[in-house]
Amino acid sequence: DAMVIQNPRYQVTQFGKPVTLSCSQTLNHNVMYWYQQKSSQAPKLLFHYYDKDFNNEADTPDNFQSRRPNTSFCFLDIRSPGLGDAAMYLCATSAHKAPNQPQHFGDGTRLSIL
Amino acid sequence: RKEVEQDPGPFNVPEGATVAFNCTYSNSASQSFFWYRQDCRKEPKLLMSVYSSGNEDGRFTAQLNRASQYISLLIRDSKLSDSATYLCVGLLNQAGTALIFGKGTTLSVSS
Repeated sequence: DAMVIQNPRYQVTQFGKPVTLSCSQTLNHNVMYWYQQKSSQAPKLLFHYYDKDFNNEADTPDNFQSRRPNTSFCFLDIRSPGLGDAAMYLCATSAHKAPNQPQHFGDGTRLSIL
Repeated sequence: RKEVEQDPGPFNVPEGATVAFNCTYSNSASQSFFWYRQDCRKEPKLLMSVYSSGNEDGRFTAQLNRASQYISLLIRDSKLSDSATYLCVGLLNQAGTALIFGKGTTLSVSS
């Protein structure tokens, strides 16, 4: 059974129209991450939550925001998607913030911008 | 210089072959390393953690050389199902959050 679940698998939105991607986890992990992966590139960390503590990467555009209303759910909000935001968005979790903790990924949401 | 570098390949090998991938990292303070496998248009899946002492999981062996700052993955007796992209991943801070991915090495195993 999937333990990190992302919905939807495919999302199409219009240029400039806000969109929200969702992630839920059944692992009860403390940390949740959002990555952006463009074609033929490595996943790039956008931000993460350690419990309710939000941590933004320095180069994450202001257009990207996140919410974590409880342990199980985390949302990625893109306020005004541009063509360059078309990518696979991956949610991941880890039990703790510790050096030896691997991250477990959801299936991803592939976002297309019209 | 990129923090985690891999040869993108592709590596094209026949079934049964042994293939090795190397990965180098630039930050000597890096804490932990992993190999992830990513199939086309799918999410990365953890393959194995990498320890300085080396670790083996079936046909897969991972090694970390801190002195030379490289990580290796050896796949023995390649199967068709091993065809995928293999991502070398480093955890670059004590907080355990800066998971830095290499761009991946593509492996294609043919019959």
